[in-house]
Amino acid sequence: GAVVSQHPSRVICKSGTSVKIECRSLDFQATTMFWYRQFPKQSLMLMATSNEGSKATYEQGVEKDKFLINHASLTLSTLTVTSAHPEDSSFYICSATSGRENTGSEQFFGPGTRLTVL
Amino acid sequence: QKEVEQDPGPLSVPEGAIVSLNCTYSNSAFQYFMWYRQYSRKGPELLMYTYSSGNKEDGRFTAQVDKSSKYISLFIRDSQPSDSATYLCAMTPTDSWGKLQFGAGTQVVVTP
Repeated sequence: GAVVSQHPSRVICKSGTSVKIECRSLDFQATTMFWYRQFPKQSLMLMATSNEGSKATYEQGVEKDKFLINHASLTLSTLTVTSAHPEDSSFYICSATSGRENTGSEQFFGPGTRLTVL
Repeated sequence: QKEVEQDPGPLSVPEGAIVSLNCTYSNSAFQYFMWYRQYSRKGPELLMYTYSSGNKEDGRFTAQVDKSSKYISLFIRDSQPSDSATYLCAMTPTDSWGKLQFGAGTQVVVTP
């Protein structure tokens, strides 16, 4: 299957700082990328959908000014957690797909980024 | 009520046994059903993918979908310790492209 990488794999930051997480599709062009967060023993919750070259679509309840998403190219999307607070500590996972029309087109997931805000 | 319900487990089975996992859902619009495996601190990887109702088999894995009951299952035959992981079901409706709804995941432990 296709490979999606995330960087960093884990990050610890102080409250009030901003953190940027990168998601890259290594061997395919990702028309669409998704950002999820996952709390321990809970399901993945979709935060936003980003299409290359356009603004991200955020799910209800997700603050777009706090979670800035940029999908500047077909292989890179970034999630910036601005003014992070301890409650933002979570496992953030991105996924990518090359499909646009085909519903259910496979999403390839990155390995995740563990964010800890002190 | 969550759209997708999945027992978080843990489910402990001896090596060689059949692992039986299931999810129920409430949204009749769901048409695509997936099972993912997630190892600790890693991203999910796709195991099985089924469209609409029916069975699908791939090696030791069998996925079943019963849309009339809004119930999906995953069976793992001849389980191995390497199958120890969290298994997540996911589903999406036809008109919400790519928006997967995940279950909470069931932790499976296969003991040697």
